[in-house]
Amino acid sequence: SQQGEEDPQALSIQEGENATMNCSYKTSINNLQWYRQNSGRGLVHLILIRSNEREKHSGRLRVTLDTSKKSSSLLITASRAADTASYFCATDLDSSASKIIFGSGTRLSIRP
Amino acid sequence: KAGVTQTPRYLIKTRGQQVTLSCSPISGHRSVSWYQQTPGQGLQFLFEYFSETQRNKGNFPGRFSGRQFSNSRSEMNVSTLELGDSALYLCASSPYSKDLGTGELFFGEGSRLTVL
Repeated sequence: SQQGEEDPQALSIQEGENATMNCSYKTSINNLQWYRQNSGRGLVHLILIRSNEREKHSGRLRVTLDTSKKSSSLLITASRAADTASYFCATDLDSSASKIIFGSGTRLSIRP
Repeated sequence: KAGVTQTPRYLIKTRGQQVTLSCSPISGHRSVSWYQQTPGQGLQFLFEYFSETQRNKGNFPGRFSGRQFSNSRSEMNVSTLELGDSALYLCASSPYSKDLGTGELFFGEGSRLTVL
């Protein structure tokens, strides 16, 4: 079973627009991460946010974490064609930090 | 610094056969995790190894096994292959620390297994 569920499952936006993806999880976490995967390739780490942090920025990425609602969001600003990929949230349970569980992913398409 | 290397990249097997996949982590990384990715089930955690010890295992049958060597390289084995084992198998290494836990995972490009 998966710890995280992403919403929406698929998102198509115009180049230059902002993209927002949401992730909900079920149990307490140690930290939450976001990864990107281009079709059929390995995943690439984007950003990690600890359970005691509420917001984090990295370039055009902004991640928020609400532990009371067990949810996180990833915002990509000024989207580019190269942002077309699947995005996954991942959590490690505070009871077992050696096991990272991935959500179902959001498939993002950027239209030129 | 070389990235995570997985071999082979592609392989085709028939039902009933067994397969061994290899993963060389980034130098200095002692934690290696394995995942199975399929269109229907998404990314499923298989197991995690640290210093040659399996610390965690996902919900997979005993046909799926793994090991880690003293140089942190890892192998996973699937015996008695079934059609449903067709998937992309991803390996990831991590510089595990007590403070951050597993932290950031560095993934290889995966081994794509097709079972006929």
